[in-house]
Amino acid sequence: GAGVSQTPSNKVTEKGKYVELRCDPISGHTALYWYRQSLGQGPEFLIYFQGTGAADDSGLPNDRFFAVRPEGSVSTLKIQRTERGDSAVYLCASSPGLAGGVETQYFGPGTRLLVL
Amino acid sequence: ILNVEQSPQSLHVQEGDSTNFTCSFPSSNFYALHWYRWETAKSPEALFVMTLNGDEKKKGRISATLNTKEGYSYLYIKGSQPEDSATYLCAFGADKLVFGAGTILRVKS
Repeated sequence: GAGVSQTPSNKVTEKGKYVELRCDPISGHTALYWYRQSLGQGPEFLIYFQGTGAADDSGLPNDRFFAVRPEGSVSTLKIQRTERGDSAVYLCASSPGLAGGVETQYFGPGTRLLVL
Repeated sequence: ILNVEQSPQSLHVQEGDSTNFTCSFPSSNFYALHWYRWETAKSPEALFVMTLNGDEKKKGRISATLNTKEGYSYLYIKGSQPEDSATYLCAFGADKLVFGAGTILRVKS
């Protein structure tokens, strides 16, 4: 079965531009997570969806960042007015989303964003 | 602020050596500890999810132990192979994972 896929794999943009990063979770997984990894650091939590709704968006750094999951499957992370500090690897993960217990999060390969 | 520390930052070993690294996390309000292996240009691969104090998990030549009372987990690799070269990440929590910075392992043949 297919794993988590992310597109594009690489994105180069100019400061001030708008970008969209897409995540296709494993089929049937209701929980979806976005993380960001900056150079030399571990991945940092951004937002978590259960179905179509954001269950926890406490990791979004500011209002330039927004994520949607309108049909409870594919998710798009949107970044407005990009800044050089937004350059990072953006990782998406999904899990079955069953109630109770701890689940393994299955990660995609990431989108490497470079803001010039 | 939750802090997850991993040591060492990097490790170079010879093929056939056994090695281990450490993940330290807050001992209060423990929920779960995750280990991932991340090879360059690939997706992070889940190795273990550990939830109980004293847990020991094994997958081939890789094993992990968990001590929630003192807040640490060890990852062991027996007889390292070049294909074990990767960054090993630990993460604390359930839904909202808090990651350490990782241990970079390089195995020379």
